[in-house]
Amino acid sequence: QQKVQQSPESLSVPEGGMASLNCTSSDRNFQYFWWYRQHSGEGPKALMSIFSDGDKKEGRFTAHLNKASLHVSLHIRDSQPSDSALYFCAASGTSGGSNAKLTFGKGTKLSVKS
Amino acid sequence: EAAVTQSPRNKVTVTGGNVTLSCRQTNSHNYMYWYRQDTGHGLRLIHYSYGAGNLQIGDVPDGYKATRTTQEDFFLLLELASPSQTSLYFCASSDAYAEQFFGPGTRLTVL
Repeated sequence: QQKVQQSPESLSVPEGGMASLNCTSSDRNFQYFWWYRQHSGEGPKALMSIFSDGDKKEGRFTAHLNKASLHVSLHIRDSQPSDSALYFCAASGTSGGSNAKLTFGKGTKLSVKS
Repeated sequence: EAAVTQSPRNKVTVTGGNVTLSCRQTNSHNYMYWYRQDTGHGLRLIHYSYGAGNLQIGDVPDGYKATRTTQEDFFLLLELASPSQTSLYFCASSDAYAEQFFGPGTRLTVL
C-alpha cells in the first residue's frame, strides 16, 4: 500500500485561478511533510515544508496540515502558467535512524491554462 | 544554492551490462540519496547514506548497490542491468530533517 497518497492525479486550472492539491498518509509515524515541485526536464525542488497543525503561507502558496487525520493540502492562489509542473507530497518520521529519509507520493500534474 | 551534479546525463546499456551512475554534491551535506522516477510510481528511494562509508537500504534496493566514497561522492552500481531498471535516476543531498536538493537526473535505458 502506498504510504503517501496524492489526489487528484492531474488538475487543470485557468490562469489566475486557485489550485488545490491533497495528500494523505497511512503511516502514523509520518509527522513532517514537504511539498516538492518538478518542472519538465528538471529535478524536483522543495516548495515548502509544514510540521505543525494549521496553515503555513509563503507568497501565493498555502499549506495546511491536520496531524490527527494525517492530511496535508497545498493551495496555489492566482495560478500562473509557470506553476504548471508535477507536484509531490513527501513525508518523514520523527524518530529512529530512518527519519532523515522521505517517502514520496506519486505526484499531481498541474496544468495552468492561459 | 546547493549544487548536486550527476553523470552521465544519459546512458544506454544492454541487458546484463554493468553501469555506474555518479553523483557529487559541494555543500557539505551529510545525507545523500538515490531515487528512481517512473510514471505511475513517483519517486522511490533506492539507497541513502549519512556519511562516507555509510550505506542505508531504501525502499526499492533490489538489483542496486551503492557506495559513498567521500562526503561529496555517492555512486549507484547496477552490476547486471535488466530492462526493468530503465528509469530516470535522481541523486539528492541534505542535512538531517532539512530540504533535499536534487541533481538534474540521469536517464538510463537498458535494452
